[in-house]
Amino acid sequence: DQQVKQNSPSLSVQEGRISILNCDYTNSMFDYFLWYKKYPAEGPTFLISISSIKDKNEDGRFTVFLNKSAKHLSLHIVPSQPGDSAVYFCAASDFRSGTASKLTFGTGTRLQVTL
Amino acid sequence: KAGVTQTPRYLIKTRGQQVTLSCSPISGHRSVSWYQQTPGQGLQFLFEYFSETQRNKGNFPGRFSGRQFSNSRSEMNVSTLELGDSALYLCASSPGQGNEKLFFGSGTQLSVL
Repeated sequence: DQQVKQNSPSLSVQEGRISILNCDYTNSMFDYFLWYKKYPAEGPTFLISISSIKDKNEDGRFTVFLNKSAKHLSLHIVPSQPGDSAVYFCAASDFRSGTASKLTFGTGTRLQVTL
Repeated sequence: KAGVTQTPRYLIKTRGQQVTLSCSPISGHRSVSWYQQTPGQGLQFLFEYFSETQRNKGNFPGRFSGRQFSNSRSEMNVSTLELGDSALYLCASSPGQGNEKLFFGSGTQLSVL
């Protein structure tokens, strides 16, 4: 049972345009959401997070939106750069239960930013 | 600060053997978590150790076990290896005090033949 779903395995975007990566979840107990970026042969690196008490969080070119009623979150990258080409993982946790380190990950979306 | 260090980087084993993977967390981090990454399943949580005690556990069989030492270094052991255990095993560390982000190592790529 995939509790966190990233339905688009891949996405191609032109440099300078907006990249939108989507993620859906089914577990209503999730209250903290994160995005990680992964390059080949490296571990995932933290990108941005959002708590369920917010609906938007911004950090430079990266913005995460959370729609709790739809159990949906999205990551916007504006403007997209070639160095953003990587696999992006959405992750969720149930922080209130004390399992902040037990992240449930989606299967990832491979973003390719073309020139 | 040095990052999370995992050894070895690559490992080849045969079915039925056992394997031990090692993880050194970032200095000062007391929580170490282990994840398995396979192509179709993404990253799946194995377990978390904090102050030498297993604090959380995922849905993996008992063949997967771990431990943490007093210096926060952690080891993960898989016994009676199966072909399906072939995966990238990732270790992550964090201070362990709250809703902080995890810092991942580069992983150990295990191939079971």
